[in-house]
Amino acid sequence: GAVVSQHPSRVICKSGTSVKIECRSLDFQATTMFWYRQFPKQSLMLMATSNEGSKATYEQGVEKDKFLINHASLTLSTLTVTSAHPEDSSFYICSATFKQGVTEAFFGQGTRLTVV
Amino acid sequence: TQLLEQSPQFLSIQEGENLTVYCNSSSVFSSLQWYRQEPGEGPVLLVTVVTGGEVKKLKRLTFQFGDARKDSSLHITAAQPGDTGLYLCACGGATNKLIFGTGTLLAVQP
Repeated sequence: GAVVSQHPSRVICKSGTSVKIECRSLDFQATTMFWYRQFPKQSLMLMATSNEGSKATYEQGVEKDKFLINHASLTLSTLTVTSAHPEDSSFYICSATFKQGVTEAFFGQGTRLTVV
Repeated sequence: TQLLEQSPQFLSIQEGENLTVYCNSSSVFSSLQWYRQEPGEGPVLLVTVVTGGEVKKLKRLTFQFGDARKDSSLHITAAQPGDTGLYLCACGGATNKLIFGTGTLLAVQP
């Protein structure tokens, strides 16, 4: 299957700093990438849809100035958590699809963010 | 309101027991997927069902899509500790956006 690589897998940062998480499709061109947030023992909550070369579409309740998404190429999307606070601590996961109309998604390994 | 409701939310069973996880919605879906996620990792696709009434088997796992394409079930026969994880149903649309169910956390005790 297609491989999606997410980096870093774990990051600890201080309150007020910004953290960038990368999501790369390694062996295919991803037309669309998605960013999810997950709290312990809970399901994935979609944060935003990222399309190459255009602005991300954010889900209701997600602050776009807080969670900056850039999709500069067909193989890379980044999520930057700006001015991080402890409540931003969570597991962030990206996924990518490569074919319109096919909803099978390939997921990265996730990034555990801890803000101290 | 959650689009996809899963039940039960948590399930702890002994090795060798059978179990069923349900995924329900008031909406009709063109397809539905089941994923399994282990701690600290991303979800892994188990199966996609597209036809109402469809049944798919994956070793000891049996997936069924409801006739009306509003619900689905996952049945595990003779559960093993390796089946432990978070099971998620998910639906998508024309935009490829996947929406996940509320999740079922399964623990299989040896």
